[in-house]
Amino acid sequence: GEEVAQTPKHLVRGEGQKAKLYCAPIKGHSYVFWYQQVLKNEFKFLISFQNENVFDETGMPKERFSAKCLPNSPCSLEIQATKLEDSAVYFCASSQRVWWNTEAFFGQGTRLTVV
Amino acid sequence: QQPVQSPQAVILREGEDAVINCSSSKALYSVHWYRQKHGEAPVFLMILLKGGEQKGHEKISASFNEKKQQSSLYLTASQLSYSGTYFCGTGGSNYKLTFGKGTLLTVNP
Repeated sequence: GEEVAQTPKHLVRGEGQKAKLYCAPIKGHSYVFWYQQVLKNEFKFLISFQNENVFDETGMPKERFSAKCLPNSPCSLEIQATKLEDSAVYFCASSQRVWWNTEAFFGQGTRLTVV
Repeated sequence: QQPVQSPQAVILREGEDAVINCSSSKALYSVHWYRQKHGEAPVFLMILLKGGEQKGHEKISASFNEKKQQSSLYLTASQLSYSGTYFCGTGGSNYKLTFGKGTLLTVNP
């Protein structure tokens, strides 16, 4: 597709429940990135992929967060045992070439609310 | 390390100009500029690469001082549609794009 598609748009989870977010990058884009945007608008980098391989995962809280990008499937970001502080908008972005050298296209985001 | 943007907020009247600055303490390969309207996805505006190459928007210009690790975004003859939060993202040797805290631009009629 010609846009980054994120689903669902909104997700509400009780504290301790699992949340799974999906991202379909633009066709032909090799790089996928996940960012968390909290209320103060700050973007926190979570993880990046080059095709199905993890490129950089230094931003991931590994004990509860995991992500995958498998061939012929949307990429996913999963949060086990959600906490109140996980409430945020999660953006996925994709780019054709390596991140620092080219523009990235963002999806519309998934708003996760943990209650 | 997160780049520092200034100012934090600016209010303009339609037709006025604005400059938004972005600085980093680390050596940069690239600077990216995005605009985000409330409740929407960030939209790409401009990328400035080490060595002087620029790719981006027709009505918006930017500069990149590689020696000082600074970039400035120039918005001229602002329109109401320019309102939003502007983010700079800096790309360094770690291949990660790190965003600043944003500059809220409000353009009034």
